[in-house]
Amino acid sequence: AQTVTQSQPEMSVQEAETVTLSCTYDTSESDYYLFWYKQPPSRQMILVIRQEAYKQQNATENRFSVNFQKAAKSFSLKISDSQLGDAAMYFCAYEGGTSYGKLTFGQGTILTVHP
Amino acid sequence: NAGVTQTPKFQVLKTGQSMTLQCAQDMNHNSMYWYRQDPGMGLRLIYYSASEGTTDKGEVPNGYNVSRLNKREFSLRLESAAPSQTSVYFCASSDWASGSFYEQYFGPGTRLTVT
Repeated sequence: AQTVTQSQPEMSVQEAETVTLSCTYDTSESDYYLFWYKQPPSRQMILVIRQEAYKQQNATENRFSVNFQKAAKSFSLKISDSQLGDAAMYFCAYEGGTSYGKLTFGQGTILTVHP
Repeated sequence: NAGVTQTPKFQVLKTGQSMTLQCAQDMNHNSMYWYRQDPGMGLRLIYYSASEGTTDKGEVPNGYNVSRLNKREFSLRLESAAPSQTSVYFCASSDWASGSFYEQYFGPGTRLTVT
């Protein structure tokens, strides 16, 4: 079975600074997707960024980028120019290529942004 | 479009009572999912429905049943609620197809407390 591990229960960053959230995963599949979801206090799950395992290039979405190390099974999220609105719980998630869209989530990291 | 809607938003049950959580999506998605979110554990899949007329167990199915009423609706039933089922429940949907990525859309969640 696939597992996803986020080893940082909490992180903090100063506004305008950069922070990196860590995620590791374990799988025997060769075809899969990785995601970072944001959950603000409203509880709404928001997709931040995704990475296809077959792509070597790291995904980027505006201030959000990932460092995907396939051999090390590592998938970290970098938030640049942090904003107060980035404060939330962040979840790393895995989806196997033939899993009917089922997601396996990590435990989450609470990000605090200080003004 | 309303996206994914869930009812109720909050519910308090006594041990042994039963209830059904309702979920509906208006995006014509094939696949639907039920997750539960417990503190410190991220989201875990309870049941999923890859397409209308099919349902299958996820990681934590014990104590739950589901019904895919039609393409739009996917309900989760607790037959005899237990305090261990106190959690936040999320419904999600996607247009999953093998070999492709389709974003999974989440509902706002139902906070259930069993006393």
